[in-house]
Amino acid sequence: AQKITQTQPGMFVQEKEAVTLDCTYDTSDQSYGLFWYKQPSSGEMIFLIYQGSYDEQNATEGRYSLNFQKARKSANLVISASQLGDSAMYFCAITGTYKYIFGTGTRLKVLA
Amino acid sequence: GAGVSQSPSNKVTEKGKDVELRCDPISGHTALYWYRQSLGQGLEFLIYFQGNSAPDKSGLPSDRFSAERTGGSVSTLTIQRTQQEDSAVYLCASRFTPTSNQPQHFGDGTRLSIL
Repeated sequence: AQKITQTQPGMFVQEKEAVTLDCTYDTSDQSYGLFWYKQPSSGEMIFLIYQGSYDEQNATEGRYSLNFQKARKSANLVISASQLGDSAMYFCAITGTYKYIFGTGTRLKVLA
Repeated sequence: GAGVSQSPSNKVTEKGKDVELRCDPISGHTALYWYRQSLGQGLEFLIYFQGNSAPDKSGLPSDRFSAERTGGSVSTLTIQRTQQEDSAVYLCASRFTPTSNQPQHFGDGTRLSIL
């Protein structure tokens, strides 16, 4: 069985600062994918970034990067130069084959 | 269409009525998922379709919930004899294929309120 743990229910960050959102996972699959999604208050789920279990490089997408530490089973999301529009819920997810398992989310508030 | 489309965006109905929620996935996406999200909570998996088949219905909360998919495209989630605890946002997502490197793409959801 797969499991995702997000231990930070809420986080604050000052505008223009960097912030790290934690995600740890558990899986018995050798091949799996890790994803981060953003959910603003408007409710839509926006795909941010993907990391494959065999990828040796950490994934980056613009201001988003994924700090992947396979031995520690962690896949933390780093947002650089935070903007007010980054205020949202952030969900980490894992998938082996067809099923996605989502974490409980971290609510990020960016302060002006 | 360009993205996953869900309708209606909002639905208010009386307890005991039946409701149908519709999902139109991204063209060519073979995998389709339904989730439920209660206020301030995470995503609760309901059902997964591969083509028109539903190999995993394990998340459906009761026999009042059913879903179908036709033509490998549009899916309908039906809730019979609605209860107040069914109030939530119902999200649909699709993927090109159910492999580990494919992200899910979500619709905007249907906000269901049971009076």
